[in-house]
Amino acid sequence: SQKIEQNSEALNIQEGKTATLTCNYTNYSPAYLQWYRQDPGRGPVFLLLIRENEKEKRKERLKVTFDTTLKQSLFHITASQPADSATYLCALDEGNTGFQKLVFGTGTRLLVSP
Amino acid sequence: NAGVMQNPRHLVRRRGQEARLRCSPMKGHSHVYWYRQLPEEGLKFMVYLQKENIIDESGMPKERFSAEFPKEGPSILRIQQVVRGDSAAYFCASSPPTSGQETQYFGPGTRLLVL
Repeated sequence: SQKIEQNSEALNIQEGKTATLTCNYTNYSPAYLQWYRQDPGRGPVFLLLIRENEKEKRKERLKVTFDTTLKQSLFHITASQPADSATYLCALDEGNTGFQKLVFGTGTRLLVSP
Repeated sequence: NAGVMQNPRHLVRRRGQEARLRCSPMKGHSHVYWYRQLPEEGLKFMVYLQKENIIDESGMPKERFSAEFPKEGPSILRIQQVVRGDSAAYFCASSPPTSGQETQYFGPGTRLLVL
């Protein structure tokens, strides 16, 4: 069956450290994968998109990797800050639908303590 | 440029009533997607619409749920005869018509509570 999995346990780290979140998927062949941030009571906010032919993408303190052999994406936040505390969602395109039909993971909650 | 707007933000209904959720996409966006998020679960795709057309409704329950995106006005997600299991956050997202624009922009959601 098709699955997209993120660590359901919250990730607690200290301010200044690098946070690494994992997204694994099975039985999908996505052309790209996206990461979103969601704060309590709010809608998801797009952060980064990485395509299947890209190994790594960076945006300010954010870095995403995409390994289509391992079927895994890693999301890194360097020099983390308390303001980075949120739930981070990965999403991929289900494929073969003719439009962008996103499948989301359940998200990993990140808590950055001062 | 205003973002995606949804209203109401919170909606309380009793079992058997109807719920109408509205979504105004970002200016210039003609593609609308609806998602449902149950507690402790991920966002689940429900339906994809373009102006006046339902493109894919494979994620929407066959009964009681319907969606529209008229030529004028917001997209509407309608749930008839609500049941407690319909309690969830419903998010709408929009994207521009240009091909290759894969980013979806989400609204703040409508939290539906069925008593």
